[in-house]
Amino acid sequence: SQKIEQNSEALNIQEGKTATLTCNYTNYSPAYLQWYRQDPGRGPVFLLLIRENEKEKRKERLKVTFDTTLKQSLFHITASQPADSATYLCALDRGGKLIFGQGTELSVKP
Amino acid sequence: DVKVTQSSRYLVKRTGEKVFLECVQDMDHENMFWYRQDPGLGLRLIYFSYDVKMKEKGDIPEGYSVSREKKERFSLILESASTNQTSMYLCASSFSGTSGSDTQYFGPGTRLTVL
Repeated sequence: SQKIEQNSEALNIQEGKTATLTCNYTNYSPAYLQWYRQDPGRGPVFLLLIRENEKEKRKERLKVTFDTTLKQSLFHITASQPADSATYLCALDRGGKLIFGQGTELSVKP
Repeated sequence: DVKVTQSSRYLVKRTGEKVFLECVQDMDHENMFWYRQDPGLGLRLIYFSYDVKMKEKGDIPEGYSVSREKKERFSLILESASTNQTSMYLCASSFSGTSGSDTQYFGPGTRLTVL
């Protein structure tokens, strides 16, 4: 069955640095991959989508890469801010449904 | 903006009770989903629906049922609540566009505790 792995350990970084989160998957070749942000006690919020034929996607301070050979996506937040502290989830398409990773908790210290 | 609302933010029920969780979306989305989220297990799909009166099982449907009588409303039913159904329940909706990339919009979640 499809499996998605994200860094289970929380990521702690200093304000202004670049945060890099990893999403690895096995046993599947998704047509696209999505990243969501989730704040405590709230539902996930969509951030970015990248398709299998795209290497990189950017939105403001966010950048996502998608390597279908390595079966990996990297999610970068440049010039990170304390307000970026949250849990970030990656999700793979599964024919109209999504499979979510467990998420990586990011903490940006001032 | 798309709005997905859930009937309760917090709910406490007793073992054996029948529990209804309601979800309403206001963007005329065809697809609706129910997930539960538990620490260490992430989001797991319980049921989903592609259209009114249609439903399909997700990855963990046991102990749950759903109802979709109107396009905007998707209900999750716990027929006989058990303590292992204590969890955060999240509803989501998406539009079946031609792009084939169905971004999901989530509600705020219902934290259910079964005693």
